[in-house]
Amino acid sequence: NAGVMQNPRHLVRRRGQEARLRCSPMKGHSHVYWYRQLPEEGLKFMVYLQKENIIDESGMPKERFSAEFPKEGPSILRIQQVVRGDSAAYFCASSPPNGGNTIYFGEGSWLTVV
Amino acid sequence: GDSVTQMEGPVTLSEEAFLTINCTYTATGYPSLFWYVQYPGEGLQLLLKATKADDKGSNKGFEATYRKETTSFHLEKGSVQVSDSAVYFCALSGSNSGYSTLTFGKGTMLLVSP
Repeated sequence: NAGVMQNPRHLVRRRGQEARLRCSPMKGHSHVYWYRQLPEEGLKFMVYLQKENIIDESGMPKERFSAEFPKEGPSILRIQQVVRGDSAAYFCASSPPNGGNTIYFGEGSWLTVV
Repeated sequence: GDSVTQMEGPVTLSEEAFLTINCTYTATGYPSLFWYVQYPGEGLQLLLKATKADDKGSNKGFEATYRKETTSFHLEKGSVQVSDSAVYFCALSGSNSGYSTLTFGKGTMLLVSP
């Protein structure tokens, strides 16, 4: 997973606040994926983005969650008005422009909502 | 839809014991199969993969063979070490979408004692 950079690693928010998680893909990678890991669960796919485009957001909750991957800068996963159930580890992954089926994960961002 | 089922943990072994973690899957088409490992407080690292039937993935003494007839991808290691203690996730990448989103099992915790 070397090269996929996520920050912050740990984030504490009060209920109702906003959380912003950032992900810089590996050098040369233009595809970004976000996954969520709830306690005692496996990872669940949330969204797949390419530069300036959301390709598949079938795993994103309908409300409060959004993601972007601008032309310049990192991908952002934004959670508005956080609730306790949003407490989880959020993992970003990236893959190169030619696709392929191996994606590389970052070290994750642990969100705690108090 | 696609799904992955892993044996429940924790699996507790003594050092140098033989390890098997079972994984079976349900998928349409011809998925690629993966094992990822997550050490405490860290992100996921790709351990090994197999992209077609009868392929064997191997890395760091771990092996898994893609068995299409039994839809399985069991993880094995001949002699575990304390440092292998981690959570192991089996995953598949569907072949239908043209890009790679992973479906994960719930993970199996391995605890190895000296």
